[in-house]
Amino acid sequence: DTGVSQDPRHKITKRGQNVTFRCDPISEHNRLYWYRQTLGQGPEFLTYFQNEAQLEKSRLLSDRFSAERPKGSFSTLEIQRTEQGDSAMYLCASSLDRAGKSYEQYFGPGTRLTVT
Amino acid sequence: AQSVTQLDSQVPVFEEAPVELRCNYSSSVSVYLFWYVQYPNQGLQLLLKYLSGSTLVESINGFEAEFNKSQTSFHLRKPSVHISDTAEYFCAVSEGDTGRRALTFGSGTRLQVQP
Repeated sequence: DTGVSQDPRHKITKRGQNVTFRCDPISEHNRLYWYRQTLGQGPEFLTYFQNEAQLEKSRLLSDRFSAERPKGSFSTLEIQRTEQGDSAMYLCASSLDRAGKSYEQYFGPGTRLTVT
Repeated sequence: AQSVTQLDSQVPVFEEAPVELRCNYSSSVSVYLFWYVQYPNQGLQLLLKYLSGSTLVESINGFEAEFNKSQTSFHLRKPSVHISDTAEYFCAVSEGDTGRRALTFGSGTRLQVQP
């Protein structure tokens, strides 16, 4: 078990550019979550997948954001036409969620996005 | 909708003193409750959780939290803190019975343990 990994760990981009982040969950985990954390705040939920199906999107997830989880394994989060307000830490988490099993979410180290 | 309130943004405490980090939540449905810890330059780690059963839950490193349904609280306590407990602590809640597992976090409490 290597834990949840995220790539890149840091990304600096100019306003208006597109960026894509990758998350690799713990291998047997069927649920994958994306959160965003800004300085001095707790993480805020963005979206989650059960296997390859995207089951919920927060209203924080504007049309410029899109997430995918092809084949129910890794996931990507793309932000188009970045804005300075998108600067934040983007966190990925995964969990094994079946009836009666653990509901613990394991978090990755995050990708810190800075939009200049 | 759910919300979590952590009233104390920072809690300074001397080593070996007791500490309590407060967490109150609001929800229209039954909840699961969590405390996560974030050490400097590290990711979020689960400290302890309440899903059902005994309202007092404990972690392996001496922390405990008690679910109080009537007061909608889940305060975190430790009888004697160490320098190594210095970190940011986040309280979180998810829906209990609906299958929706998205976490709603509080804004965090920074525990600063001084020698």
